[in-house]
Amino acid sequence: QQQVKQSPQSLIVQKGGISIINCAYENTAFDYFPWYQQFPGKGPALLIAIRPDVSEKKEGRFTISFNKSAKQFSLHIMDSQPGDSATYFCAASINTGTASKLTFGTGTRLQVTL
Amino acid sequence: AAGVIQSPRHLIKEKRETATLKCYPIPRHDTVYWYQQGPGQDPQFLISFYEKMQSDKGSIPDRFSAQQFSDYHSELNMSSLELGDSALYFCASSSKGTGYYEQYFGPGTRLTVT
Repeated sequence: QQQVKQSPQSLIVQKGGISIINCAYENTAFDYFPWYQQFPGKGPALLIAIRPDVSEKKEGRFTISFNKSAKQFSLHIMDSQPGDSATYFCAASINTGTASKLTFGTGTRLQVTL
Repeated sequence: AAGVIQSPRHLIKEKRETATLKCYPIPRHDTVYWYQQGPGQDPQFLISFYEKMQSDKGSIPDRFSAQQFSDYHSELNMSSLELGDSALYFCASSSKGTGYYEQYFGPGTRLTVT
């Protein structure tokens, strides 16, 4: 059972367009929601993250929108570029005091076309 | 900035052999995590360590064991390898400075079992 549901599975966006990836979770104990970007054969790279007491966080072209009551959050990539083509994973985390436990979504393969 | 170092980057083993993967966390990071990622899948949590003690355990097979050493590096030992163990293995690290929330991943070790 996937605790963090992610959609769409794949996404094709034209250069300059907006890419939107959505995630939903069930466990209200999650207290940190990061997004990771992964290129083929590389490790996931922490892109941006949000805590549940904030509804939006923006870093450059990347924005997370968070809806606590709906238990949903999304990643918006503005002015999408071919270099953004990668797999994006949302995740939800629980802090155990000396570590965090990440649960990943199933990933979205983004392709930005010219 | 220093990143997580993993070695080897590629490893080819035969069925029933043993493999050892090494991870060197970011300096001053005291928590280490291991993940397994199959083709087209999200990373699956295996095990984590804080201050050389196991802090959490995920879907790690009994054939696998891991430990963290006094210099905080960690090793994942995999015995009686099976074809299904072929995957990317990632190590990640985090620190108290970010409340352990921010996990930074290494480049991974690609294990191929033939």
